[in-house]
Amino acid sequence: NAGVTQNPKFQVLKTGQSMTLQCAQDMNHNSMYWYRQDPGMGLRLIYYSASEGTTDKGEVPNGYNVSRLNKREFSLRLESAAPSQTSVYFCASSVGQGDQPQHFGDGTRLSIL
Amino acid sequence: AQSVTQPDIHITVSEGASLELRCNYSYGATPYLFWYVQSPGQGLQLLLKYFSGDTLVQGIKGFEAEFKRSQSSFNLRKPSVHWSDAAEYFCAVGGSGYSTLTFGKGTMLLVSP
Repeated sequence: NAGVTQNPKFQVLKTGQSMTLQCAQDMNHNSMYWYRQDPGMGLRLIYYSASEGTTDKGEVPNGYNVSRLNKREFSLRLESAAPSQTSVYFCASSVGQGDQPQHFGDGTRLSIL
Repeated sequence: AQSVTQPDIHITVSEGASLELRCNYSYGATPYLFWYVQSPGQGLQLLLKYFSGDTLVQGIKGFEAEFKRSQSSFNLRKPSVHWSDAAEYFCAVGGSGYSTLTFGKGTMLLVSP
């Protein structure tokens, strides 16, 4: 049982480059989330998706876009990376629509130079 | 605006001793309260949650938490700490709906032999 899988685990980018962070869950969950975690800041919600085909902005959406490709997959895209986006990114999921996140992936550690 | 305060950045406890991690929240209505644990290099795991009813909630790994409305607190406790409990612990508060979940900045638990 894989749970929530994130790829890549680590990535280094140059300012202005773009990339997509991948997330997939195999638990048939409806809701999926993207958070960023910065030292001493806790977690902050970037985007979430209550169900396939729907996405909504969280607390810190600027500079990011998301796609809920299907029920399993929820990707996060940085169109033009900035040093302020250096962070650890976590994808999460939960069973119901409107539930709080229950299962987290192991994170993507992203550095932008 | 809702907020969570975890007053202790670090706590060191001897193995076998009892543990209490503090969490104070600010929320305008009846809160939904959560504790998560994060081991190094991993994502968050939900320990327990409070929505309503009995103010003492039991979670996984032998943890419990007590909701005290008069003190706006939701402290996490464990009677006897094991070395494997060393991790970072996050308290979170929200209402119905994932978009409103706010995390504290975390408390790092160190367990001494």
